[in-house]
Amino acid sequence: EAGVTQFPSHSVIEKGQTVTLRCDPISGHDNLYWYRRVMGKEIKFLLHFVKESKQDESGMPNNRFLAERTGGTYSTLKVQPAELEDSGVYFCASSQVSGGQETQYFGPGTRLLVL
Amino acid sequence: AQSVAQPEDQVNVAEGNPLTVKCTYSVSGNPYLFWYVQYPNRGLQFLLKYITGDNLVKGSYGFEAEFNKSQTSFHLKKPSALVSDSALYFCAVRDSAGGYQKVTFGTGTKLQVIP
Repeated sequence: EAGVTQFPSHSVIEKGQTVTLRCDPISGHDNLYWYRRVMGKEIKFLLHFVKESKQDESGMPNNRFLAERTGGTYSTLKVQPAELEDSGVYFCASSQVSGGQETQYFGPGTRLLVL
Repeated sequence: AQSVAQPEDQVNVAEGNPLTVKCTYSVSGNPYLFWYVQYPNRGLQFLLKYITGDNLVKGSYGFEAEFNKSQTSFHLKKPSALVSDSALYFCAVRDSAGGYQKVTFGTGTKLQVIP
């Protein structure tokens, strides 16, 4: 079974540019999460999809971030325009609730550097 | 609000010696607790979780963790460290209450196993 995949693995852009990150969850997983880790700090929750619907987007930093999950399969996270403080590693995770329990499985992350 | 504390930024241990990576948590209800590991240039990998039952949880790669409710701790342990265990370890918690509950991560602890 394929795991969670993310594209690109790395992205270096200039301040003011746009970047779109993609996440492909494990097939059949309804839950999809985006997280971000800024250097040396904790992994912070950004948002949570259940299928194509946003369950919780309370962690989104501001309106420069837009996440979509059309069709309830893969998801994209767009940052427009990017700022220096957006640099970090963006993780995607997916899960399926079974018996009331849930374990999130993570992708390798996208390392974003904004110059 | 729930939180996770990993008090050590880095833990150094000699190969073959036992290792402990500390984690304490705060949650309003009963906790679900997780450990994840991130190897260099890789994504987070699930190691183990505590949901209910036996306080000693065994996971992947010979790791185990002990849930201590009175001390609100979930320390990660391994009897004999390997150089290949060198990685970044994250503790995470969520409330076990029904319905949607957000997962909160710690800041991570870098484990360095010295040959």
